[in-house]
Amino acid sequence: KAGVTQTPRYLIKTRGQQVTLSCSPISGHRSVSWYQQTPGQGLQFLFEYFSETQRNKGNFPGRFSGRQFSNSRSEMNVSTLELGDSALYLCASSVAGTTGNTIYFGEGSWLTVV
Amino acid sequence: DQQVKQNSPSLSVQEGRISILNCDYTNSMFDYFLWYKKYPAEGPTFLISISSIKDKNEDGRFTVFLNKSAKHLSLHIVPSQPGDSAVYFCAARYSGGGADGLTFGKGTHLIIQP
Repeated sequence: KAGVTQTPRYLIKTRGQQVTLSCSPISGHRSVSWYQQTPGQGLQFLFEYFSETQRNKGNFPGRFSGRQFSNSRSEMNVSTLELGDSALYLCASSVAGTTGNTIYFGEGSWLTVV
Repeated sequence: DQQVKQNSPSLSVQEGRISILNCDYTNSMFDYFLWYKKYPAEGPTFLISISSIKDKNEDGRFTVFLNKSAKHLSLHIVPSQPGDSAVYFCAARYSGGGADGLTFGKGTHLIIQP
């Protein structure tokens, strides 16, 4: 069965622009989470969507937003990009948010802001 | 405040020996713990997990031990193989409300020497 798919894999944007990243979860998985990985901060939780609703949110500014569609696919958007937004953005999916539930990650989208 | 800590940024182990990676947490609400392995430029790969109702879980060469009173968990890899060289992340989750946000440690870079 196909894993978590993220697109695009690599992209370069200019400060002030906005970016949209896409994630297709594993078939049958209804929960999609997003994470940011930077060398200094490590892996940090951005937000989680379940059944098209944001269920959980990390400590990131409002420039970071997301949504989930009825087919469980998700997008995240970062507006007014800053140099510090350069990072690996990871999407993860799981069946549902219950104890004992394994979370699987995609390969990530590398964003470089110049 | 870092709720999940991996105090060893790197660990070097000889091939064939046991690798022990440690992780401490501060939030007593965490009830599920996971270990991920990550190669550069790839997403984290799930290794093994443990629920807070258990103190040990094994899967092949990987064993995770949980000491709830000490808020400490460890991942044992026996025997260590060259392909185990990677960054290992400890992650924890509080499943109350069904949310799936993971809190990660900063990772330990495991180097297996021939």
